[in-house]
Amino acid sequence: GENVEQHPSTLSVQEGDSAVIKCTYSDSASNYFPWYKQELGKRPQLIIDIRSNVGEKKDQRIAVTLNKTAKHFSLHITETQPEDSAVYFCAASRTGGGADGLTFGKGTHLIIQP
Amino acid sequence: NAGVTQTPKFQVLKTGQSMTLQCAQDMNHNSMYWYRQDPGMGLRLIYYSASEGTTDKGEVPNGYNVSRLNKREFSLRLESAAPSQTSVYFCASSALAGPNNEQFFGPGTRLTVL
Repeated sequence: GENVEQHPSTLSVQEGDSAVIKCTYSDSASNYFPWYKQELGKRPQLIIDIRSNVGEKKDQRIAVTLNKTAKHFSLHITETQPEDSAVYFCAASRTGGGADGLTFGKGTHLIIQP
Repeated sequence: NAGVTQTPKFQVLKTGQSMTLQCAQDMNHNSMYWYRQDPGMGLRLIYYSASEGTTDKGEVPNGYNVSRLNKREFSLRLESAAPSQTSVYFCASSALAGPNNEQFFGPGTRLTVL
């Protein structure tokens, strides 16, 4: 089955700086890669996703890049703000997040220092 | 539109007791999922239902059973609870058709097995 590795487990950055979280996956058939943000005690919420036919996607301060050859994808957050503090999870799926569920990484605790 | 709802929010069981976690969605989604979240482990797929009338095992199905009661409802049953099943359980749903396959999560059930 699919295996998703995520690094780092904790990331502390100064407010206004950029943060990068990296994930690798093992199943070359995976074609959908979402990123979820989870605040303490809350449910995971999708912040951005990318499909295998796209190399990069941006949404305001958030961007995701995908390298299918190397089987890795990354989340980039620019101009970090206190409200970005949370746990971020990457995930992978063969079926576009539809039929067979998602395989998640273990999460990155992002801390924004004032 | 309530989205994905789960009951109960909290539950404490003794080893060997049984219980059913309930999940319902009002978004007319075809696919539904059960995940468990343990500290430092990310979310792991227990069971999923790609469409009404079908269910399949995920990564960690042992000790659980599921029922897709209708298109809206997907329940998770613990027949004989064990301390290793202490976890936060999330239900999720997604629309299968079309490009928008985002998984929407419920608020979670925090289960403690003594």
